Order: sequence, then structure tokens, then C-alpha cells
Amino acid sequence: SQTIHQWPATLVQPVGSPLSLECTVEGTSNPNLYWYRQAAGRGLQLLFYSVGIGQISSEVPQNLSASRPQDRQFILSSKKLLLSDSGFYLCASSPGRTEQYFGPGTRLTVT
Amino acid sequence: AQSVAQPEDQVNVAEGNPLTVKCTYSVSGNPYLFWYVQYPNRGLQFLLKYITGDNLVKGSYGFEAEFNKSQTSFHLKKPSALVSDSALYFCAVRGGNTGKLIFGQGTTLQVKP
Repeated sequence: SQTIHQWPATLVQPVGSPLSLECTVEGTSNPNLYWYRQAAGRGLQLLFYSVGIGQISSEVPQNLSASRPQDRQFILSSKKLLLSDSGFYLCASSPGRTEQYFGPGTRLTVT
Repeated sequence: AQSVAQPEDQVNVAEGNPLTVKCTYSVSGNPYLFWYVQYPNRGLQFLLKYITGDNLVKGSYGFEAEFNKSQTSFHLKKPSALVSDSALYFCAVRGGNTGKLIFGQGTTLQVKP
């Protein structure tokens, strides 16, 4: 079975600072990978997904970007954070293209 | 367009009683349906899925879900609720061939002793 790691677990950053969140997956190869943001403990917003190395699709235009430099590594970045970027960021992996498995999440607070 | 609706923001049930968390969907073609649970400040945990076959799907922690094609529903059920089942539950449907999931807004389940 696969394991999904996310770090850091929590992060407090000032407005205008850069961001880098990392997600790595163990126990599978060539998964589809996803970044979600969850605000106020409710609905999930899909931000990016990737079907392979270097292949990124953006779902919502914003000041965030994603990269997949290795098969099991997915990075979420920003050059300048906004207050509205605060939230709970979740990485998910779908090895079989059906169900997704989620990491533990990163709580980002932009001050 | 594919969509998922969870009509109840919160469901309250007494421990030991049966529980149902409702989900309806709208998709073109055959649906792939999923239920997830989320505890506070944690990632989502996969509970069960319906792809094809028997309309009653059994999953983790004693949960099951019933697929009803005519009513386009996929309700989550458990015969006897536990206090530890209190959490946020999400229904989802797969949209397209990229494996993207479309999630409902979530239902908070509160099980009282």
C-alpha cells in the first residue's frame, strides 16, 4: 500500500513571502497526483493535477503553481503569498486512476 | 456537467442507532462513486467505492453504501453508530478520464452518547 508524506505540517508565513509545499509518495509508481485546498474545514477545491512527470494541469487561475520533478514528488509553490492563500492543503495520489488517497495535509496561515 | 450534492450540513444520531448520510449525484455515463471521512486537522480517509456490480458496497469501519441508479443516490449507512464515527464525511464522483474527483460540500456527523 502507498504512503503519502506532506511537509511541513504547519506553516505561518507573512503576506508577500514565497511558498513551497512538498508531497512525496511511497509504495507506488506513476500515480496521478493532486493538490487540493480546503478552506474553513469544508469543501475541497482542486488546484492542480498531474498525470506524469512535468505534466501539470491547473484548475483554478491564481498565484500558485505546481511542479512534478520526479514521479512521486509533487510541489506546490507561490512567489508571493496572499492572505486568501491561507487554508489546509492536501495532496492526493491515485495509483489506479479510481480512488484517491490523501496525505496528512499542511495548515498554512498567511499573516 | 458532473456534480455531487450532500443535502445535509449536519446529521445528529444517538450512539447505537443506525445512521445515514445522504448523497446524490449527476453524471453522464456510468458513475464511479466514493465516500471519504475526515477527522479534524487530518487528511481524508477512503471508506468505500462503487464502480460496478452489487448495489450494496461494504467499506471500512463497518460502513456501507447503497447505490440507487434510478434515484441517482449513493447514501452512506452504518447499522450502529459509534461516538468515534463523529467526523466530516464527503461523497465524491469521478469526473473524466484523468481520475479527478468532484466532491460534495461535506456532512458533519455528530454521534452523541
